[in-house]
Amino acid sequence: SYELTQSPSVSVSPGQTASITCSGDKLGDKYVCWYQQKPGQSPVLVIYQDAKRPSGIPERFSGSNSGNTATLTISGTQAMDEADYYCQAWDSGTVVFGGGTKLTVL
Amino acid sequence: EVQLLESGGGSVPPGGSLRLSCTVSGFSFRSYAMSWVRQAPGKGLEWVSLIYSGDGSTYYADSVKGRFTISRDDSKNILFLQLKSLRAEDTAVYYCVKADVGAPAAVRYFDYWGRGTLVTVSS
Repeated sequence: SYELTQSPSVSVSPGQTASITCSGDKLGDKYVCWYQQKPGQSPVLVIYQDAKRPSGIPERFSGSNSGNTATLTISGTQAMDEADYYCQAWDSGTVVFGGGTKLTVL
Repeated sequence: EVQLLESGGGSVPPGGSLRLSCTVSGFSFRSYAMSWVRQAPGKGLEWVSLIYSGDGSTYYADSVKGRFTISRDDSKNILFLQLKSLRAEDTAVYYCVKADVGAPAAVRYFDYWGRGTLVTVSS
């Protein structure tokens, strides 16, 4: 079965750029989306189709996908961005989630 | 405003059954595929099942295949998940989610999520 791999944790200082990666075999050939989940809340879509932002998502969130790695980038990271982030892709009739990355803003 | 409201969660012993429901409003329910995604306590997201619009074709994660059944009532805008032969590892919050597609096609993202309903499997 297809697997998506994320680093368990990433730390960033306020105002700096955070990069969260998601890796999978030939992931660049698939569409990737990203969800943000804060404690006690439901996930929220922040990036879809590799690099598109839904309405209401700040411009500091961006995405890319090439080769075997998709990347979620948060520019000018704010304290409110501290959350768990999950990548997701579609493979052979199944939805696949990455294991999640905890972003700490300190 | 899009709303997805799950219900039916609770505590059941191993081997037991539950039926989850998700009442939907704010979009044309019959036009979209719907899915269930679960999250065990302190763990990540796990896709459970998907049902397309139109032909109602269904897909399941290997971990629940043969035990869970997804269905939909387009006349009432309700999504269901029948859970049988429950195991301790099925303990999780179950989210009802809307897919970006309707008819069978690659699901690129889930754009709306409910608040979830907690299923606890314990003796």
